[in-house]
Amino acid sequence: NAGVMQNPRHLVRRRGQEARLRCSPMKGHSHVYWYRQLPEEGLKFMVYLQKENIIDESGMPKERFSAEFPKEGPSILRIQQVVRGDSAAYFCASSPEGSVLYGYTFGSGTRLTVV
Amino acid sequence: AQKVTQAQTEISVVEKEDVTLDCVYETRDTTYYLFWYKQPPSGELVFLIRRNSFDEQNEISGRYSWNFQKSTSSFNFTITASQVVDSAVYFCALSEGTGANSKLTFGKGITLSVRP
Repeated sequence: NAGVMQNPRHLVRRRGQEARLRCSPMKGHSHVYWYRQLPEEGLKFMVYLQKENIIDESGMPKERFSAEFPKEGPSILRIQQVVRGDSAAYFCASSPEGSVLYGYTFGSGTRLTVV
Repeated sequence: AQKVTQAQTEISVVEKEDVTLDCVYETRDTTYYLFWYKQPPSGELVFLIRRNSFDEQNEISGRYSWNFQKSTSSFNFTITASQVVDSAVYFCALSEGTGANSKLTFGKGITLSVRP
């Protein structure tokens, strides 16, 4: 019973390139949360998605960042025209019902480095 | 707004010492959940405990124990007889609501170093 799978584990991009981070939730989970951990900081909420819907994107930067969770396939966090300040660890978590009452499992994260 | 404060940033102890990691939170919700996560040097997040706001019983799991004090809005974590493998960053977190869209608010983390 695989946990939450995130790939790649490490991603290096040059300034101006695009970064695509993938998150496959646990089997049976249809709710995904993305969090960002900047260096020396705790995790900060970015976006909450259900299948084919963005429910809450209040933590997403207004520009260059987008997220999707299609009917088939993993959730994708996309960062366009990356800048050095985007260097961080990005974690996703999945849940069967979107509530902490039902469990909230994190993946191992993707470490993005912008050079 | 929800807030989690972990005032200690770095703690260093010698193996077998006991160590307590402090967590203070702020929320206007009457129903909420508190969490502790461990982030070892490998970087993943390891779930340690979840506690709901109505359950103030202290909890013990092996060398780990948690003290939830609603009156002081604190949820402290004690490691007894620390070991080198306990070296990690420890995060306290608070759920924003318990229904759908239960976002977590994290503290900045405490880096614990256990020296042999």
